[in-house]
Amino acid sequence: GESVGLHLPTLSVQEGDNSIINCAYSNSASDYFIWYKQESGKGPQFIIDIRSNMDKRQGQRVTVLLNKTVKHLSLQIAATQPGDSAVYFCAENLGNSGGSNYKLTFGKGTLLTVNP
Amino acid sequence: GAGVSQSPRYKVAKRGQDVALRCDPISGHVSLFWYQQALGQGPEFLTYFQNEAQLDKSGLPSDRFFAERPEGSVSTLKIQRTQQEDSAVYLCASSLKRDRVYGYTFGSGTRLTVV
Repeated sequence: GESVGLHLPTLSVQEGDNSIINCAYSNSASDYFIWYKQESGKGPQFIIDIRSNMDKRQGQRVTVLLNKTVKHLSLQIAATQPGDSAVYFCAENLGNSGGSNYKLTFGKGTLLTVNP
Repeated sequence: GAGVSQSPRYKVAKRGQDVALRCDPISGHVSLFWYQQALGQGPEFLTYFQNEAQLDKSGLPSDRFFAERPEGSVSTLKIQRTQQEDSAVYLCASSLKRDRVYGYTFGSGTRLTVV
């Protein structure tokens, strides 16, 4: 069935709660990071991004935090709604220093389930 | 169209069969990317086109994989002699500018199942 091969970290929250999704990235030289939301049967959808010279960036209901010391990103979703249920991926890019500023390296993803 | 369009949405191939997956990027987008997403994993980079030029094919898993974008618009990813390990969702993305991850727009992908 669908569960075979799926070993995603999962997070289950109640509607209205705040959600925090974490990501450890791999390359200390990465200078640009993006969070994507992927619903079943769809491609990844941009949520928010952050450059390495920042440690926090806020969007509508979402906040991304970057800790370069420990190579850690988090995505905070305020007042989580059932429509937020999806798999969330962080992605990193080396930028100009890496010579491949078009390429994204994705993390494994976290499955967020919002219970009404 | 308004988004990146991929066809077919689903493809079932017998092992050893050749397949061709199509991507229609957003009109005017210079950059086009192919990614492979195995079940339960994040997408992995396959190849990058800037207009019709294939500038990076370092992610293609083997010489059975071939991609083209002859007129700098529509792209086709071809897989020859498919194997079970090729089963995955193949995602196409485009962006307006060259050499940039900003403004990536992904299509919904083609789910390939090799039996």
